[in-house]
Amino acid sequence: QKEVEQNSGPLSVPEGAIASLNCTYSDRGSQSFFWYRQYSGKSPELIMSIYSNGDKEDGRFTAQLNKASQYVSLLIRDSQPSDSATYLCAVNAGGTSYGKLTFGQGTILTVHP
Amino acid sequence: NAGVTQTPKFQVLKTGQSMTLQCAQDMNHNSMYWYRQDPGMGLRLIYYSASEGTTDKGEVPNGYNVSRLNKREFSLRLESAAPSQTSVYFCASSVTGYYNEQFFGPGTRLTVL
Repeated sequence: QKEVEQNSGPLSVPEGAIASLNCTYSDRGSQSFFWYRQYSGKSPELIMSIYSNGDKEDGRFTAQLNKASQYVSLLIRDSQPSDSATYLCAVNAGGTSYGKLTFGQGTILTVHP
Repeated sequence: NAGVTQTPKFQVLKTGQSMTLQCAQDMNHNSMYWYRQDPGMGLRLIYYSASEGTTDKGEVPNGYNVSRLNKREFSLRLESAAPSQTSVYFCASSVTGYYNEQFFGPGTRLTVL
């Protein structure tokens, strides 16, 4: 069983719509959660981090965390063509895995004009 | 600040050749990481260094060695390259601790023939 799973995608949304990206994780001891954006041929770029249950907003991005359901999501409001990229969910398990991130496979998002 | 830098950007090796990938960070981070990224496999941790003077294996360490030269630099060595090591290699760094936000370098594209 994969430790971090993302909705398989690819996900296609029209410009101006809300894009919803989802991620589940298996380790209940996980402490911190991250979303990275990766453009084709480039390195992952950290866009959101979240550590406690609830919502965290940063501009057009909102991260949501529900530790009881072992679920983390990323909402992108007013999606733009420049948001087209692969989005990676990453989880820091804590405990003996302290400091190590486990990444999901990524979801490809395409925003079409 | 340059952030995380990696050299070289591209490399082609023949099977059995050796090489060292270099990584440096100027953010005064304690922890550094080496990942490989393959299509369909996501980002996988090869080795990491929680602090200067320490290194530890990640998910896929076989065929690799690392050296934490000082706080800034963390190198990855392939002693006898194999075609299975064809991949994109990313170095990352973070402030050690609970939050562990990792920042990535631009990557090295390695092809082993």
